[in-house]
Amino acid sequence: AQSVTQPDIHITVSEGASLELRCNYSYGATPYLFWYVQSPGQGLQLLLKYFSGDTLVQGIKGFEAEFKRSQSSFNLRKPSVHWSDAAEYFCAVGAQSGYSTLTFGKGTMLLVSP
Amino acid sequence: DTGVSQNPRHKITKRGQNVTFRCDPISEHNRLYWYRQTLGQGPEFLTYFQNEAQLEKSRLLSDRFSAERPKGSFSTLEIQRTEQGDSAMYLCASSPIGAVQETQYFGPGTRLLVL
Repeated sequence: AQSVTQPDIHITVSEGASLELRCNYSYGATPYLFWYVQSPGQGLQLLLKYFSGDTLVQGIKGFEAEFKRSQSSFNLRKPSVHWSDAAEYFCAVGAQSGYSTLTFGKGTMLLVSP
Repeated sequence: DTGVSQNPRHKITKRGQNVTFRCDPISEHNRLYWYRQTLGQGPEFLTYFQNEAQLEKSRLLSDRFSAERPKGSFSTLEIQRTEQGDSAMYLCASSPIGAVQETQYFGPGTRLLVL
């Protein structure tokens, strides 16, 4: 069975500083990986996804993520954080069975300090 | 493209009552998913439809939970005899049929509070 670990429950970053959110997955084959962002009381917005090919993927709002098979990781990065980036971030892995379901990590809450 | 919509956005009910939530997927999206998200957790998959067929329902939390998608368009999730432990955010997502894996687009969710 697949699983996702986001080891950091909370992260605080100063505005303008760089950001890296960690995600480790467990999956028996090539995974499909996603990062979603959730603002308070809202649904999930897709930031970026990895299906195959280039292991560095670009997303919206200046985010990027790198798939590292050897480390079973898919860390999210942003070079300069804005106050509006404060939200909860979820990493997810997709199944390759006949239907598509997502297994999510517990999320990392990003706080941005002035 | 108006996105996935869910109604109501909030629901407060008393223990033992039945509740029903509605999800309208992005038009022409054949696949529809329901997830539950409790406080401090990521979303947890509940059930999945391809058109009107419910292809996976073993992950529904109990027999008090049921879902339908009668015409392959909108879907409803019903919880009978609600319990306080059912308090959560219920999220709906849709995706177009195509390659093995498609991107799921989420609605804003319905937040349920059971008193």
